[in-house]
Amino acid sequence: GAGVSQTPSNKVTEKGKYVELRCDPISGHTALYWYRQSLGQGPEFLIYFQGTGAADDSGLPNDRFFAVRPEGSVSTLKIQRTERGDSAVYLCASSTSGPQETQYFGPGTRLLVL
Amino acid sequence: GDSVTQMEGPVTLSEEAFLTINCTYTATGYPSLFWYVQYPGEGLQLLLKATKADDKGSNKGFEATYRKETTSFHLEKGSVQVSDSAVYFCALNRDDKIIFGKGTRLHILP
Repeated sequence: GAGVSQTPSNKVTEKGKYVELRCDPISGHTALYWYRQSLGQGPEFLIYFQGTGAADDSGLPNDRFFAVRPEGSVSTLKIQRTERGDSAVYLCASSTSGPQETQYFGPGTRLLVL
Repeated sequence: GDSVTQMEGPVTLSEEAFLTINCTYTATGYPSLFWYVQYPGEGLQLLLKATKADDKGSNKGFEATYRKETTSFHLEKGSVQVSDSAVYFCALNRDDKIIFGKGTRLHILP
């Protein structure tokens, strides 16, 4: 079956611009996660959704970052006033019902802020 | 806070060599432990996991044992193949999130 998909696969933007990154989880998965992976580092947790609501957003670095999941399926990570330090691979994962289940990762969106 | 430390790479081995990638963790309580793998051009995928002390996770010839006394979860494989070349991440779960190590790049030479 289809896995987690993310679009776009690559995004180049200029400092100060706004970007949206999209995640399509595995069908039927109620839990969705966003992580950020900087070069040479492991992924770092950003936010966890259970259904439509953000159950844990403790990993969002500041208020320029925001994520939504309005219908409990697709999620969008939004970054305002991008900075060069936001350049990273943004990973999305989903699991059947919650964090105690295996998380399945998408291929990621590589964001480059010039 | 909780953290994972794994050996730095890259690790370069010849085909059929024995592999060990060291991983230690710091955590309160008893988290589940994982090894994830990222093959070139592919997404992160779960390789194996262990949920309690002395559990052994295994998959594709890889093994790791949850050692509470040494807070370790070392990854081993008896005979590596060129196709095992990838980046390997040790990780633990804490509440809603997975905490990853920095990753170890493995190169297997034919």
